[in-house]
Amino acid sequence: DSGVTQTPKHLITATGQRVTLRCSPRSGDLSVYWYQQSLDQGLQFLIQYYNGEERAKGNILERFSAQQFPDLHSELNLSSLELGDSALYFCASSPTGSFNTEAFFGQGTRLTVV
Amino acid sequence: DAKTTQPTSMDCAEGRAANLPCNHSTISGNEYVYWYRQIHSQGPQYIIHGLKNNETNEMASLIITEDRKSSTLILPHATLRDTAVYYCIVRVRLTGGGNKLTFGTGTQLKVEL
Repeated sequence: DSGVTQTPKHLITATGQRVTLRCSPRSGDLSVYWYQQSLDQGLQFLIQYYNGEERAKGNILERFSAQQFPDLHSELNLSSLELGDSALYFCASSPTGSFNTEAFFGQGTRLTVV
Repeated sequence: DAKTTQPTSMDCAEGRAANLPCNHSTISGNEYVYWYRQIHSQGPQYIIHGLKNNETNEMASLIITEDRKSSTLILPHATLRDTAVYYCIVRVRLTGGGNKLTFGTGTQLKVEL
């Protein structure tokens, strides 16, 4: 158990809908990262937050947004869903925003868009 | 981004050492090498990381060449539970102070009896 909690574990929704994925980082970790893993793209970095502020952006679509709250949990919002958004979404956390400390991943949310 | 090259797959006998190579010839001086593994569709599991010195923890050892252009992850006594995809990653610092792990296609390690 990495200590990173993601909910829900599974989500099935229809095209055009909006969903929210939640991530609770390890206790004390200030930085949260979101990744998407689809069959044809592998693990893709989406966005990083550090202590409530956006720190880095990757291949995140405009239909997607994220935020980190004062209690440090994070949410990834996906809207106007398309079939191609079906994927595993992982959250990771690390103690600081630095790149020389390990990041621990949650077990992911499997999103299926039908 | 510094890119990594790994063999697509490797086999290892249970109880033997598994040596997983990785090339990262474009790595910059202050970029760290990280290793993660992923079993089926579970979340990637952190294994080890290093800058230029060899590192060892309870899971594995990381050997980085002096020129830092390649590294080897060593699982000293592989078990069936070590069967997984192993990712060698150069963690990149981004403008604005952020950073990311750029996952490639990894090495599928199969440990057999």
